[in-house]
Amino acid sequence: AQKVTQAQTEISVVEKEDVTLDCVYETRDTTYYLFWYKQPPSGELVFLIRRNSFDEQNEISGRYSWNFQKSTSSFNFTITASQVVDSAVYFCALSETYNFNKFYFGSGTKLNVKP
Amino acid sequence: DAGVIQSPRHEVTEMGQEVTLRCKPISGHDYLFWYRQTMMRGLELLIYFNNNVPIDDSGMPEDRFSAKMPNASFSTLKIQPSEPRDSAVYFCASSIGGPETQYFGPGTRLLVL
Repeated sequence: AQKVTQAQTEISVVEKEDVTLDCVYETRDTTYYLFWYKQPPSGELVFLIRRNSFDEQNEISGRYSWNFQKSTSSFNFTITASQVVDSAVYFCALSETYNFNKFYFGSGTKLNVKP
Repeated sequence: DAGVIQSPRHEVTEMGQEVTLRCKPISGHDYLFWYRQTMMRGLELLIYFNNNVPIDDSGMPEDRFSAKMPNASFSTLKIQPSEPRDSAVYFCASSIGGPETQYFGPGTRLLVL
């Protein structure tokens, strides 16, 4: 079974639109971490955020915000007022502490922001 | 500060040849990870080290793949013999104090003809 599911393969928006990238995870662990990474066209992976399972407080960083809901096993990522530079593939990831800290990545969502 | 350094950035080789990918983690980081990214399988964790010791290599696809970390500042991923299906981007990542927050290198793009 997929540990991390990013159902949206590709999303296209026009600049200044808000966009939400969905992430649903599956784990039996009570202590785990969730992540978002950005992979721009240049190919590198850029760490965006880490969240531990005990902290459900939503987080905002500039135009980025994250909504963590344990009840629905979701960790969604919203970009407000999107910009062309936001165009990238975004990966959600899960780290389970009981399972030797294995790291699981979702399949990624490609975001295209058009001018 | 220098991030994770990987070399080479691009590698083209012929089937059957040995390929060695190199990684220098961020100084002071005690965890090192090797990932493979392909269109078909996405990002896969191959192996990771803690204090230079391999902890989990269950993601290594087969015996043709091997990884070493002779010291805290250097790791290699070797493929011998290489096959076309090994073509992928290989990422190295490092972290400190635990695997929870990993910083990735730029990746090595491998093409096996």
